[in-house]
Amino acid sequence: LAKTTQPISMDSYEGQEVNITCSHNNIATNDYITWYQQFPSQGPRFIIQGYKTKVTNEVASLFIPADRKSSTLSLPRVSLSDTAVYYCLVGYNTDKLIFGTGTRLQVFP
Amino acid sequence: EAGVTQFPSHSVIEKGQTVTLRCDPISGHDNLYWYRRVMGKEIKFLLHFVKESKQDESGMPNNRFLAERTGGTYSTLKVQPAELEDSGVYFCASSQLGRLAGPYEQYFGPGTRLTVT
Repeated sequence: LAKTTQPISMDSYEGQEVNITCSHNNIATNDYITWYQQFPSQGPRFIIQGYKTKVTNEVASLFIPADRKSSTLSLPRVSLSDTAVYYCLVGYNTDKLIFGTGTRLQVFP
Repeated sequence: EAGVTQFPSHSVIEKGQTVTLRCDPISGHDNLYWYRRVMGKEIKFLLHFVKESKQDESGMPNNRFLAERTGGTYSTLKVQPAELEDSGVYFCASSQLGRLAGPYEQYFGPGTRLTVT
């Protein structure tokens, strides 16, 4: 299983764009990259998933370079409510998710 | 559509007692998973049901933990007898079955906080 490395924490101010990069050097050919968000006292929530290049949805964008050894979650114009822990996960099957320590994002007014 | 629900939200029991946690997945989701986060550690996979069958229970810590999913609907996770190190937050998640490529997103419940004293 591919191991992921991401920053332990990040700080930002409201209205800024936040980019969280995840390293996954030993990603397998058929692995997908998935990001989850977790608020205190809640379960993780799916944000976005991608395989290559760029994926965008209503809440975030995911940038994946050609070698796929890293990925960047981009949150445009964050608000206080985006304060949460963000997890980068790499894998293919639906059997189980392997969570790392995640990145704790703190948004300040 | 209702999300994944878990009951109770919080349970405090003494060491040696028994506790049963319940998870109701999203209707129609054949995949059901249990995870837990022990204090200060990462979220860890416990087991995976496909309908009523245990697909993977490699994450179950020991035989004090018993998970069931009778009828392929809701699931229960029983801890008997509970030990201090079982304290943590137990999450349940569910997902659809049969995607052609890539993992389906998993929908998590709010978790049950278990405190063993």
